[in-house]
Amino acid sequence: QSVLTQPPSASGTPGQRVTISCSGNSSNIGSNSVFWYQQLPETAPKLLIDKNNQRPSGVPDRFSGSKSGTSAFLAISGLRSEDEANYHCAAWDDSVSGPVFGGGTKLTVL
Amino acid sequence: QVQLVQSGAEVKKPGSSMKVSCTASGGTFSIYVVNWVRQAPGQGLEWMGAILPMYGTTNYAQKFQGRITLTADESTGTAYMEMSTLRFEDTAIYYCARGGFDFWSPPQGDWGQGTLVTVSS
Repeated sequence: QSVLTQPPSASGTPGQRVTISCSGNSSNIGSNSVFWYQQLPETAPKLLIDKNNQRPSGVPDRFSGSKSGTSAFLAISGLRSEDEANYHCAAWDDSVSGPVFGGGTKLTVL
Repeated sequence: QVQLVQSGAEVKKPGSSMKVSCTASGGTFSIYVVNWVRQAPGQGLEWMGAILPMYGTTNYAQKFQGRITLTADESTGTAYMEMSTLRFEDTAIYYCARGGFDFWSPPQGDWGQGTLVTVSS
């Protein structure tokens, strides 16, 4: 069972905006930055959002991150078929002195 | 941009040990934390531990404390993850992933391609 809670699945149609949530507590999301990773089928995860809302070089601005209290959100606008992937959130957790992950959300583009 | 290349897939017997390598190329190796993360079939990501090659300092997840050993060889730019007493439930893809300059963060950079380890009798 993952420390951070994500919905197991999400879906949208091309062009739509989709939001994926990540819920934690005061020892992880509530006091530390959140990171998001995109994992395309049969590939390694790739950093998508850094420190709550920073996009690494090369990540389209269709992807955005936000945080409020002990929850974080990944928004994908202008959904494309190539966005179909698993999305994972992570944050440092002070209570375990290590990073913790969500269980991942499988995004389907209908 | 650092590229991380991991060793190939392995099949192991229960009770045996495994050692996965992660070699960095194209950038500075020793000043960044190297995280080890695994993913069981159909499951999410699980952080196992991290090493800062420059000092050889390590940080292990409590679950893996005593069963994994992380090491690094600065001369070859290679990090290693050794796990002992393998169980069926250790079947997973094992990833190395670059972190920041200290331990206090999830992976922030490039990931290796992953190493599939299958534990089977």
